[in-house]
Amino acid sequence: SQQGEEDPQALSIQEGENATMNCSYKTSINNLQWYRQNSGRGLVHLILIRSNEREKHSGRLRVTLDTSKKSSSLLITASRAADTASYFCATDARYTDKLIFGTGTRLQVFP
Amino acid sequence: GAGVSQSPSNKVTEKGKDVELRCDPISGHTALYWYRQSLGQGLEFLIYFQGNSAPDKSGLPSDRFSAERTGGSVSTLTIQRTQQEDSAVYLCASSLALRTDTQYFGPGTRLTVL
Repeated sequence: SQQGEEDPQALSIQEGENATMNCSYKTSINNLQWYRQNSGRGLVHLILIRSNEREKHSGRLRVTLDTSKKSSSLLITASRAADTASYFCATDARYTDKLIFGTGTRLQVFP
Repeated sequence: GAGVSQSPSNKVTEKGKDVELRCDPISGHTALYWYRQSLGQGLEFLIYFQGNSAPDKSGLPSDRFSAERTGGSVSTLTIQRTQQEDSAVYLCASSLALRTDTQYFGPGTRLTVL
């Protein structure tokens, strides 16, 4: 079964708007990571948030983590056409010793 | 520094032929992973190496798929007697040591089986 599932599956917005993607997971985690994938090629690591952190920022990215709800959100502010990509969360589930990727959100930013 | 590299970037083959895909991880990374991604889909885990050994092969879809890693560095994924359903992008990633460390991905090999 999937550990991480992103929501929505697809999102279309205009340049300048904010984009919010959510990730839900099933079991307790040590940390959660977000990755970006352009055009079906290799994923690029964006940000890591640990289970004892609630919010983290990196440039225009803001990640929140709610361990009580087993969910995380990725907010991209003031989006740009270049942000068009698929975004994946990956969870490091406790006691499993592996990183498990979610199903991804496809973001389209129109100029 | 150099990232993860994969070759070839694209491979078109005929059904029934064997193919070899190569991954060169970041120098010093002991953990290496192979994933498969069909068009518009998520990542499908195939195999994980720690050094030269593969403690987790649970994702290999059939015995036509095999992988090896030599010298704790370069890895080769081999698909024998390719089928059309093998068409996908094959992604390789490496991480420093632990399986839970941040993974660094290569650009992938797009395999098309005609």
